[in-house]
Amino acid sequence: EPEVTQTPSHQVTQMGQEVILRCVPISNHLYFYWYRQILGQKVEFLVSFYNNEISEKSEIFDDQFSVERPDGSNFTLKIRSTKLEDSAMYFCASNLAGGTDTQYFGPGTRLTVL
Amino acid sequence: AQSVSQHNHHVILSEAASLELGCNYSYGGTVNLFWYVQYPGQHLQLLLKYFSGDPLVKGIKGFEAEFIKSKFSFNLRKPSVQWSDTAEYFCAVNPNNAGNMLTFGGGTRLMVKP
Repeated sequence: EPEVTQTPSHQVTQMGQEVILRCVPISNHLYFYWYRQILGQKVEFLVSFYNNEISEKSEIFDDQFSVERPDGSNFTLKIRSTKLEDSAMYFCASNLAGGTDTQYFGPGTRLTVL
Repeated sequence: AQSVSQHNHHVILSEAASLELGCNYSYGGTVNLFWYVQYPGQHLQLLLKYFSGDPLVKGIKGFEAEFIKSKFSFNLRKPSVQWSDTAEYFCAVNPNNAGNMLTFGGGTRLMVKP
């Protein structure tokens, strides 16, 4: 069964550094998402992406964040200048048809900002 | 803003006990509802979903959930749990007219004692 994959599984960085989290969505999917879960808190929506542009974003997704689909398979989340409070598990998800369609989640990248 | 509440944070059951996990949401319009499960060390997987029709939906592994519109609830049930059901369970909501983002509850950590 096809799966969403994410790399790396764990990323440690210094405050102020840029990080890029990578995701490979399921190949025929059209909608892509990033969520995050700070330790002990809820899974929170960050952004959705469709047709090569952001379709929705949350208040969390400020100017420090950006997403890109640099080629036909990867979907990346960039944090320009990391803060301590960016430490979280970041989940990528994808689906074929949006709304009612099941979102398939990757295993997550644990980001630790020191 | 919409929110999703899961009132049970931790549940401990013995094998063969019945399970009911609560999920309530605050949104007045039509919603799509999901239950996801995260087994230890694995990614979020869909258990079941509801978007229209019969309010009693059946999912994988013997789970079911009932949508009660008047109570804004979508409780998850299983008549007889197994040790392998030990996991964290997340309720999520997608309002029909609010794009594709999922709003998650805080999760319920279920431990089943053999």
